[in-house]
Amino acid sequence: DTEVTQTPKHLVMGMTNKKSLKCEQHMGHRAMYWYKQKAKKPPELMFVYSYEKLSINESVPSRFSPECPNSSLLNLHLHALQPEDSALYLCASSQEGGNYYEQYFGPGTRLTVT
Amino acid sequence: EDQVTQSPEALRLQEGESSSLNCSYTVSGLRGLFWYRQDPGKGPEFLFTLYSAGEEKEKERLKATLTKKESFLHITAPKPEDSATYLCAVQATTPNQFYFGTGTSLTVIP
Repeated sequence: DTEVTQTPKHLVMGMTNKKSLKCEQHMGHRAMYWYKQKAKKPPELMFVYSYEKLSINESVPSRFSPECPNSSLLNLHLHALQPEDSALYLCASSQEGGNYYEQYFGPGTRLTVT
Repeated sequence: EDQVTQSPEALRLQEGESSSLNCSYTVSGLRGLFWYRQDPGKGPEFLFTLYSAGEEKEKERLKATLTKKESFLHITAPKPEDSATYLCAVQATTPNQFYFGTGTSLTVIP
């Protein structure tokens, strides 16, 4: 079962809100990723967790806070976002994080910041 | 500076009209090159991984090839359902970075 699930599908939040995005995979993968994708642009890597430890943080603002409670779950906590943070947020997983291997993506969460 | 460039940006084909998409890369060392398909509003779908020059992979109407400087995604006799954005991505060895190209938007007209 090559499936990565993400919730919610859509999220609208104000600039003072705190919300979380959730991602889950049951493929036994040991690496999980967060990407941000703006319209008509490629995905931009934000964070990589490898064996439940944060291995890459691509200079993402602190208003985005990742969390990996276990090897199957990945959260992205959002606080005090700006309208320019509106985008499609994608989660992905792969067998390992040292080599990116084939990444399997979830359907994404469409985030709108008002 | 490491770069991944895809061309053309957009491509319109008649159903059955074969063509190729290009992904050019300049990285210090190639660990892997990946092809993905993305439908609007959805996450990318993994298609192929290529590791070394001369390698080829096939899946249905798609065939991916790799040289030392570029990769091609050949689409044979495309159908309207092949319409999507095709993304290539490169993993470099030094540093261990991962880059997506800007994508090619393919439209296949019945």
